[in-house]
Amino acid sequence: NAGVMQNPRHLVRRRGQEARLRCSPMKGHSHVYWYRQLPEEGLKFMVYLQKENIIDESGMPKERFSAEFPKEGPSILRIQQVVRGDSAAYFCASSGDVDNSPLHFGNGTRLTVT
Amino acid sequence: AQKVTQAQTEISVVEKEDVTLDCVYETRDTTYYLFWYKQPPSGELVFLIRRNSFDEQNEISGRYSWNFQKSTSSFNFTITASQVVDSAVYFCALNSGAGSYQLTFGKGTKLSVIP
Repeated sequence: NAGVMQNPRHLVRRRGQEARLRCSPMKGHSHVYWYRQLPEEGLKFMVYLQKENIIDESGMPKERFSAEFPKEGPSILRIQQVVRGDSAAYFCASSGDVDNSPLHFGNGTRLTVT
Repeated sequence: AQKVTQAQTEISVVEKEDVTLDCVYETRDTTYYLFWYKQPPSGELVFLIRRNSFDEQNEISGRYSWNFQKSTSSFNFTITASQVVDSAVYFCALNSGAGSYQLTFGKGTKLSVIP
């Protein structure tokens, strides 16, 4: 019964490159959420997706960030032209269909921009 | 607006001591959920507990217990007979409003248990 799977675990990118972070939800979960954790901070909501739909992206930066959850395959968080301030841990979570069911988080992807 | 405050940034205790982690929340909603997550040094987030606003019963799970008090808007977490493996950052989180899904996290409390 695999949990939420995120890869890669660590990602290093130079300024200006693109970062692609992947997330496979728990089996049976159709709701995916991305959160960002800056150093010494709690997690901040970025985006909520269901299959082929973005439900709420109110926490996403207006530029360079995008997310998708295709019909087949994992959810992808994409950051274009990364800058040093994008360095953070990015966590994906998934939940079932019951309202307010607990979010189960993956191990996170630690992005370092050099 | 929702807010979660974990006033204790870092706590150190000696093994076998009891320790309480404080969490104070703010919300205007009457329906809400409170959570605790553990983040060990390896970095993953581990779900510990969820409580809804209509259930003020305290909960005990092994060495862990939670004290939910609506009168003081607090949801404190106590570890009894602490162990080195309890060393982690602990986050309190709030999710409010029917059908809501966004979690508002506190900044976390780093607990160090010294052998």
